[in-house]
Amino acid sequence: DTAVSQTPKYLVTQMGNDKSIKCEQNLGHDTMYWYKQDSKKFLKIMFSYNNKELIINETVPNRFSPKSPDKAHLNLHINSLELGDSAVYFCASSQLQGAGGYTFGSGTRLTVV
Amino acid sequence: AQSVTQLGSHVSVSEGALVLLRCNYSSSVPPYLFWYVQYPNQGLQLLLKYTTGATLVKGINGFEAEFKKSETSFHLTKPSAHMSDAAEYFCAVSEGNNDMRFGAGTRLTVKP
Repeated sequence: DTAVSQTPKYLVTQMGNDKSIKCEQNLGHDTMYWYKQDSKKFLKIMFSYNNKELIINETVPNRFSPKSPDKAHLNLHINSLELGDSAVYFCASSQLQGAGGYTFGSGTRLTVV
Repeated sequence: AQSVTQLGSHVSVSEGALVLLRCNYSSSVPPYLFWYVQYPNQGLQLLLKYTTGATLVKGINGFEAEFKKSETSFHLTKPSAHMSDAAEYFCAVSEGNNDMRFGAGTRLTVKP
């Protein structure tokens, strides 16, 4: 069983469209995250949810909206996609305030054309 | 806020040679420190972590790292590189507040 699963794995879409990426974890962790990895491999935290509550919201355009229906799911919705949104988006989860490390999904490669 | 600096965006070693990937951190409290590995088109996999206790920590695939508070460092080493070690390596720091920050990554190339 996959611990942290993201769908879709690849997403190609046109500028201006709205898209969603889904993430689910079956580890029983209480915190979930979204990270963005750019073309230079730099990883930047976007959002962090603990038990469905937003606890970190970095400087991210408000076109990005996370939603956590329960503590096992954290989805990312992106409105009005722009070319600069092209990146790999990783979902992760953790327990114990992250002291044990994070478990990452395999990523969603978003390409905006 | 905590931060990480990885010295060297690209390190190249010969197979069988020592691997040394450098990481320095900044934190206002005792940090939790991590090394992750990313193979092409995959997610990040935890190699090892330091939370408290013994400052020399061993991880998977023969890697180890030493926490040196006086140097604010957490360098990753492996005595003998294998071709399969070629990947991107990330050092990360957390203050135990669900906010992990990553370094810019170091690409390790292993030459036959």
